[in-house]
Amino acid sequence: ILNVEQSPQSLHVQEGDSTNFTCSFPSSNFYALHWYRWETAKSPEALFVMTLNGDEKKKGRISATLNTKEGYSYLYIKGSQPEDSATYLCAPSNFGNEKLTFGTGTRLTIIP
Amino acid sequence: GAGVSQSPSNKVTEKGKDVELRCDPISGHTALYWYRQSLGQGLEFLIYFQGNSAPDKSGLPSDRFSAERTGGSVSTLTIQRTQQEDSAVYLCASSPWRISSGSRNEQFFGPGTRLTVL
Repeated sequence: ILNVEQSPQSLHVQEGDSTNFTCSFPSSNFYALHWYRWETAKSPEALFVMTLNGDEKKKGRISATLNTKEGYSYLYIKGSQPEDSATYLCAPSNFGNEKLTFGTGTRLTIIP
Repeated sequence: GAGVSQSPSNKVTEKGKDVELRCDPISGHTALYWYRQSLGQGLEFLIYFQGNSAPDKSGLPSDRFSAERTGGSVSTLTIQRTQQEDSAVYLCASSPWRISSGSRNEQFFGPGTRLTVL
């Protein structure tokens, strides 16, 4: 079982401000790191699948970086909007194992 | 196109009863996953299907839980003799699994079934 930690557990951010949060995971036998956004009453939605050390991916105002050697990933949101309010989940997987192990998430609330 | 669908969306049952939860994956997706989220917990892996086979059942919490998949499509998660600790949101996801990329494939989630055991 992978030990996945996300911090902070919850976050309140003023609309227009930028923010970031962290996902930590074991670096050994790393294969992939998934980021999902889960809005209340909706299905989790994939944001990024990251595989390479040093990788940076971007989707609109959201971007993510990956450090597989030290076992962490950052998710950044630039110019937060109310629609960014959601729980953000990360999930690493190990080579040869189809299972994703989800962290408990960072619950983000944007204050208008 | 149609996404992953799950039924029922909500299920309230009495302790000791059996329940069946259904998942219809995206057409053509060979991989199918079941997860659950209990109150205050993260998403917990239950079982994974590749076609109709379940190579990884390691997350099923007890022998009261079972799942099957038929025709490489619909999957049913069955919980026998439900207990209050089974109350959770049960999520299904499917993926266009490719042998070359395995768990690097994006998973597409359904809306979940909220199970309440009284």
